[in-house]
Amino acid sequence: KQEVTQIPAALSVPEGENLVLNCSFTDSAIYNLQWFRQDPGKGLTSLLLIQSSQREQTSGRLNASLDKSSGRSTLYIAASQPGDSATYLCAVMNRGSTLGRLYFGRGTQLTVWP
Amino acid sequence: DAEITQSPRHKITETGRQVTLACHQTWNHNNMFWYRQDLGHGLRLIHYSYGVHDTNKGEVSDGYSVSRSNTEDLPLTLESAASSQTSVYFCASSETERDVTDTQYFGPGTRLTVL
Repeated sequence: KQEVTQIPAALSVPEGENLVLNCSFTDSAIYNLQWFRQDPGKGLTSLLLIQSSQREQTSGRLNASLDKSSGRSTLYIAASQPGDSATYLCAVMNRGSTLGRLYFGRGTQLTVWP
Repeated sequence: DAEITQSPRHKITETGRQVTLACHQTWNHNNMFWYRQDLGHGLRLIHYSYGVHDTNKGEVSDGYSVSRSNTEDLPLTLESAASSQTSVYFCASSETERDVTDTQYFGPGTRLTVL
């Protein structure tokens, strides 16, 4: 069974810092990996999706990398802002029988203070 | 614009009652999923569907059922609500089951409290 772990569980930083969120997964037979953002009381918004054949994806100040062989992904946020405060979730989509379902980590709760 | 909606957004019910949570998507997606989110567990899959009349059990399906009579809707029913089912429920949809670039779109969630 796929297990996804995110470290750290919580992170508090001053505005302007560059930061890294980590995600690891136990089964490297994946289709893709996604990073989501969740604001309090809201649903999930997809930030970046990395296919298994790719090494990284970038969107604005966000950069996500994938090392499938070691079962790791990182989300890099450059020049953090208070508006980045949210919970960030990592999820993988496995190859195999249950196509389309996602396995989630528990998330990293990020607070960026002015 | 296409979207995925859930109703109600908040629900309080009593132990033993039957409860149905609605999920409606206008993306015309084949795949639909129900997850629950609890502190300390993250999101866990309850049921999923790959198309009309198709339903499958996820990892925490006991006490829940779904039916898919059309493409747009996947209602989630709690047959006899239990306090352990107090949670936030999310519905999601995605386009095709074999597209590796598939992105899941999530609804805003339903907060269910069982007293």
